[in-house]
Amino acid sequence: AQSVTQLDSHVSVSEGTPVLLRCNYSSSYSPSLFWYVQHPNKGLQLLLKYTSAATLVKGINGFEAEFKKSETSFHLTKPSAHMSDAAEYFCVVSENAGGTSYGKLTFGQGTILTVHP
Amino acid sequence: GAVVSQHPSWVICKSGTSVKIECRSLDFQATTMFWYRQFPKQSLMLMATSNEGSKATYEQGVEKDKFLINHASLTLSTLTVTSAHPEDSSFYICSARDEGAWTEAFFGQGTRLTVV
Repeated sequence: AQSVTQLDSHVSVSEGTPVLLRCNYSSSYSPSLFWYVQHPNKGLQLLLKYTSAATLVKGINGFEAEFKKSETSFHLTKPSAHMSDAAEYFCVVSENAGGTSYGKLTFGQGTILTVHP
Repeated sequence: GAVVSQHPSWVICKSGTSVKIECRSLDFQATTMFWYRQFPKQSLMLMATSNEGSKATYEQGVEKDKFLINHASLTLSTLTVTSAHPEDSSFYICSARDEGAWTEAFFGQGTRLTVV
């Protein structure tokens, strides 16, 4: 079985300051992990993905995430927030072997990021 | 990246009528597509997995007779909400994966369904 927990439902930062969105996961098998961003009434756009290669993953728009197996975490960071980063962010896990969860995506509860001028 | 097109982006219908939502993979073939439902301020909940040429696999608690899924080709899956009621009002999103389990899922733009 797999699950995802996003530790913060809301994060508020000032423009130009760092962003940290936290995500913990559990998985019975070797997982793939993703971060998606969703703007209001829009579909989801992939920011970055971890697929067992480098543990530090760089994505679009200056975002990056580090896979830490010992901590079962995949936190999303950005050095300097921009107003256009305001959106909802989802951490997603997918199991890659066996079980009924194979290939299915499990979503975290989402984190709403607000960026103040 | 690959493109998934979902249509319509929004629809308003009367109670008791049926609504069909289309999900197309524009530049790749998708043997599997997924349908999600998203309530306001909540995460995406998987409703069903759509398999080309076979029956869809529904998640627990999802009424298969209420939410009809057809995946007749490698690029098209449809979700039909039958005899819609106001409680069916929601944001529906489809996604498709190009191949394997390592590639990311590509999402449609979503459909805002309002039943009046």
